[in-house]
Amino acid sequence: GENVEQHPSTLSVQEGDSAVIKCTYSDSASNYFPWYKQELGKGPQLIIDIRSNVGEKKDQRIAVTLNKTAKHFSLHITETQPEDSAVYFCAASKGGYGQNFVFGPGTRLSVLP
Amino acid sequence: KAGVTQTPRYLIKTRGQQVTLSCSPISGHRSVSWYQQTPGQGLQFLFEYFSETQRNKGNFPGRFSGRQFSNSRSEMNVSTLELGDSALYLCASSPDGQETQYFGPGTRLLVL
Repeated sequence: GENVEQHPSTLSVQEGDSAVIKCTYSDSASNYFPWYKQELGKGPQLIIDIRSNVGEKKDQRIAVTLNKTAKHFSLHITETQPEDSAVYFCAASKGGYGQNFVFGPGTRLSVLP
Repeated sequence: KAGVTQTPRYLIKTRGQQVTLSCSPISGHRSVSWYQQTPGQGLQFLFEYFSETQRNKGNFPGRFSGRQFSNSRSEMNVSTLELGDSALYLCASSPDGQETQYFGPGTRLLVL
């Protein structure tokens, strides 16, 4: 089955710097790759997603890139702010009949003021 | 629209008991998925329901079961609780035909 790896497991950056989190997946049939942000005591919140027919997607300070050949995708956060501190999860899905997301283990991002 | 709601938010049970958790999806969403989140195993898929039918199931023992009602509300049940079942149980709903999942706040279950 699908396996999603995520690196790094923890990341500390200074406020205003950029943060990059990388994920790799194993199943070439996966075609949908969302990123979630989870704050303490809350459920995961979708922040951006990308489909396999797109190489890059941007939403204000957040961008995601996808390399289908290498089977990896990355989350880029620019101009980080303290409120960006949270755990970030990537996921991969093959779509089709029924949902079955496979999540990465998560990255704890700390933005230091 | 109101988001995904889950009840109860916190629950304490003892080994051997059973528990039922409830999830109300976003209005109009008929797909509901359940996940177990633990520090050691991360987010793991339990099952997904659409229009009262289970469409997909993860690798969990038969003690974990679920159902969905005609109004799309879903429940999951865990019987004969074990200490290892202590986790945050998350529910997510999706619009018809879309993969995007919107998560609720979760139910934190502690098994003593």
